[in-house]
Amino acid sequence: DADVTQTPRNRITKTGKRIMLECSQTKGHDRMYWYRQDPGLGLRLIYYSFDVKDINKGEISDGYSVSRQAQAKFSLSLESAIPNQTALYFCATSDPTGGLNQPQHFGDGTRLSIL
Amino acid sequence: QKEVEQDPGPLSVPEGAIVSLNCTYSNSAFQYFMWYRQYSRKGPELLMYTYSSGNKEDGRFTAQVDKSSKYISLFIRDSQPSDSATYLCAMTNFGNEKLTFGTGTRLTIIP
Repeated sequence: DADVTQTPRNRITKTGKRIMLECSQTKGHDRMYWYRQDPGLGLRLIYYSFDVKDINKGEISDGYSVSRQAQAKFSLSLESAIPNQTALYFCATSDPTGGLNQPQHFGDGTRLSIL
Repeated sequence: QKEVEQDPGPLSVPEGAIVSLNCTYSNSAFQYFMWYRQYSRKGPELLMYTYSSGNKEDGRFTAQVDKSSKYISLFIRDSQPSDSATYLCAMTNFGNEKLTFGTGTRLTIIP
């Protein structure tokens, strides 16, 4: 089984709909992240969380919200989806026990298309 | 200008060749440098993680950092068809959880 699991793997929806992308991990890592990947732009950080009570905005948080339901679960929501949110979305985790700047480990992504 | 520049390729080389992948960056505070490999329809997989300047070797892979030139490289020796993927560089400064990624280089190894 994958250490970082994202559901769904693919989603097509319409403009204005509310969408939730889910991420769960079995790595036991405290830190979790949400990124989006667009052609020509690379990976950009949306939100990150250091533990259940800690949520931080990344560089492109507008139009998104997150929920850290447990150490192992971190969800990303699009309250009212718009076409320019069509992208690949990745969840990642890192282990802070080794100190700051630990490497991040990614799930296999959700391909989201908004019509 | 992007903080991290990476040639998108595509790059095609014959099997067995040495591959050189590169990124340049503008932020002199970057100290931690990573290379990720991403297969089609999969997430980025960490290949190499280095701190500051110097070289790091792991099997067929060598990561090189030249902070004075703000230039990092990944070398792949004896390239294999299974190395065909997109390679992403990423970097950050001390205490910063936000990684800055290059846009990725698509590599194809021709059998």
